[in-house]
Amino acid sequence: GAGVSQSPSNKVTEKGKDVELRCDPISGHTALYWYRQSLGQGLEFLIYFQGNSAPDKSGLPSDRFSAERTGGSVSTLTIQRTQQEDSAVYLCASSLAPTRGYTFGSGTRLTVV
Amino acid sequence: KQEVTQIPAALSVPEGENLVLNCSFTDSAIYNLQWFRQDPGKGLTSLLLIQSSQREQTSGRLNASLDKSSGRSTLYIAASQPGDSATYLCAVPGGATNKLIFGTGTLLAVQP
Repeated sequence: GAGVSQSPSNKVTEKGKDVELRCDPISGHTALYWYRQSLGQGLEFLIYFQGNSAPDKSGLPSDRFSAERTGGSVSTLTIQRTQQEDSAVYLCASSLAPTRGYTFGSGTRLTVV
Repeated sequence: KQEVTQIPAALSVPEGENLVLNCSFTDSAIYNLQWFRQDPGKGLTSLLLIQSSQREQTSGRLNASLDKSSGRSTLYIAASQPGDSATYLCAVPGGATNKLIFGTGTLLAVQP
């Protein structure tokens, strides 16, 4: 696609429920990154994909968080048993190569009530 | 470990003023530096990508400069408008996975 697409744009969920956030990167971009941004805070790195593999998962805050990428394209970030502290904007970025820059999606605003 | 900082943290200017945002980084071994704009609660919009071999990049009223040896970049905004109000972030790829390392951001308010 022309840009990075994220869905849903907004998600309100009850504490304890599972949620799935989707990222559709720019076609051909092999690198994909997930970040999250809590209210008033900076961007926090979560996970990096190169193709379908995730060589860097160091930013996932707990084992309730997982992510996968299939076909070297779409990625899904899953949060199990959501907690109120999971409320944030979740951002996805893709890149063809570090020298070519990074393109971000519009984000998913997650609110856990 | 790469660290990126931005000053000022916040800036308020009247419409029409020219302004400069500053970004500094500790490790000069970078591929490039990218400037982004973020509106409240939204994603990041790329403004300018300046390669390590470049000194300047321009897009419309925006001009970014890069001095790799001193670890500094500036974003110059000419003739500011209220629509320029946003948070401006600079970032460099770093580490083994080239994840973006972001500065602390500058919150810009342009008063009509």
